[in-house]
Amino acid sequence: EAQVTQNPRYLITVTGKKLTVTCSQNMNHEYMSWYRQDPGLGLRQIYYSMNVEVTDKGDVPEGYKVSRKEKRNFPLILESPSPNQTSLYFCASSPTWSAEKLFFGSGTQLSVL
Amino acid sequence: GENVEQHPSTLSVQEGDSAVIKCTYSDSASNYFPWYKQELGKGPQLIIDIRSNVGEKKDQRIAVTLNKTAKHFSLHITETQPEDSAVYFCAASKNNNNDMRFGAGTRLTVKP
Repeated sequence: EAQVTQNPRYLITVTGKKLTVTCSQNMNHEYMSWYRQDPGLGLRQIYYSMNVEVTDKGDVPEGYKVSRKEKRNFPLILESPSPNQTSLYFCASSPTWSAEKLFFGSGTQLSVL
Repeated sequence: GENVEQHPSTLSVQEGDSAVIKCTYSDSASNYFPWYKQELGKGPQLIIDIRSNVGEKKDQRIAVTLNKTAKHFSLHITETQPEDSAVYFCAASKNNNNDMRFGAGTRLTVKP
């Protein structure tokens, strides 16, 4: 089944404790991206990648890192999480070279205490 | 940059009625307008999209209309069913551009 898989689904952590949210897609898509969803703000892009070893900042990149060492994986790294990073996170991939026709994962609900 | 506004934030309709969600955008260069449906506990799913060279597009019970002059586009759902209950997001971007901006979402409830 074609899908984008994120792990974990739920994560509670404390301020400053490094964490990684994994994302993997099995559709051989070149394009992958990360979004955060907050009430009243819709989806805002954090980082995106158009190809292996190519990543770029989205609208809200502060406090996040990503890497794209393989086509299928695009992990999101929070080196020192803070409470304002409490949010619902989505990974997405696209068969195009842009943010069109996105396939989203099921989401990761992160709480930073 | 692009700014997308979406209305209403919540919408409740009776089963069988129609539902309309409207979005406005600010950048006249935007030319790609998708709509995503997000069911509870799931990620958004693309349900329909339209490009600026087309004024209307239909897919069974859903349709999207675009008014480039007024810079607004709308999602129309006819003969609504309880399974249409979800949060709907509109978005806008320029062709082959990564700068996709989403609206804040509309929570649609279809009452049986």
